[in-house]
Amino acid sequence: DAKTTQPPSMDCAEGRAANLPCNHSTISGNEYVYWYRQIHSQGPQYIIHGLKNNETNEMASLIITEDRKSSTLILPHATLRDTAVYYCIVRLLYSGAGSYQLTFGKGTKLSVIP
Amino acid sequence: DGGITQSPKYLFRKEGQNVTLSCEQNLNHDAMYWYRQDPGQGLRLIYYSQIVNDFQKGDIAEGYSVSREKKESFPLTVTSAQKNPTAFYLCASSKLAGGDYEQYFGPGTRLTVT
Repeated sequence: DAKTTQPPSMDCAEGRAANLPCNHSTISGNEYVYWYRQIHSQGPQYIIHGLKNNETNEMASLIITEDRKSSTLILPHATLRDTAVYYCIVRLLYSGAGSYQLTFGKGTKLSVIP
Repeated sequence: DGGITQSPKYLFRKEGQNVTLSCEQNLNHDAMYWYRQDPGQGLRLIYYSQIVNDFQKGDIAEGYSVSREKKESFPLTVTSAQKNPTAFYLCASSKLAGGDYEQYFGPGTRLTVT
């Protein structure tokens, strides 16, 4: 069963902010929200993760709603190199069986348009 | 440069032959993973290893084998028992296994069996 729901595709103009939504309405209190992206024919790249507070790093910002049922990944100034498939993943917090693997769904294909 | 290397990038084999995919990391990570990706699909976990000389099956281990004799290396053998071996194979590592440790991926090996 899919634990996250993402739109299959989105377009964004170069230089604009890209806002990628993710629904995870069944998330439990001991699960993180992780974001990865995969550029065509390459390995996935870690972007950011969070539990309940908003997070920011050099690549992106992660906004998690107060009820934790959805989140938004924000790329503040999208470039052509940000064109990729973006995956939103929920993952168990603690170490133990079930927390090791990343369960990737089909993600959102983001196309950055010149 | 620290990172994960996989070789070769493309591999072709005849049906009935075993083939070994290489994965090396110099990140000093304890945990390593093998995933398989089919066209248009997410990743599925084949095997993972939390520490040297220890490994566990993932969701789709049948027809595959691994070894972890060194911390830096986690080779995957695709045996002739694997019914649909043609796929994109991704190796990953993390500092430790578990939910709070992001996984870093190699560039992948695309295996074609005819």
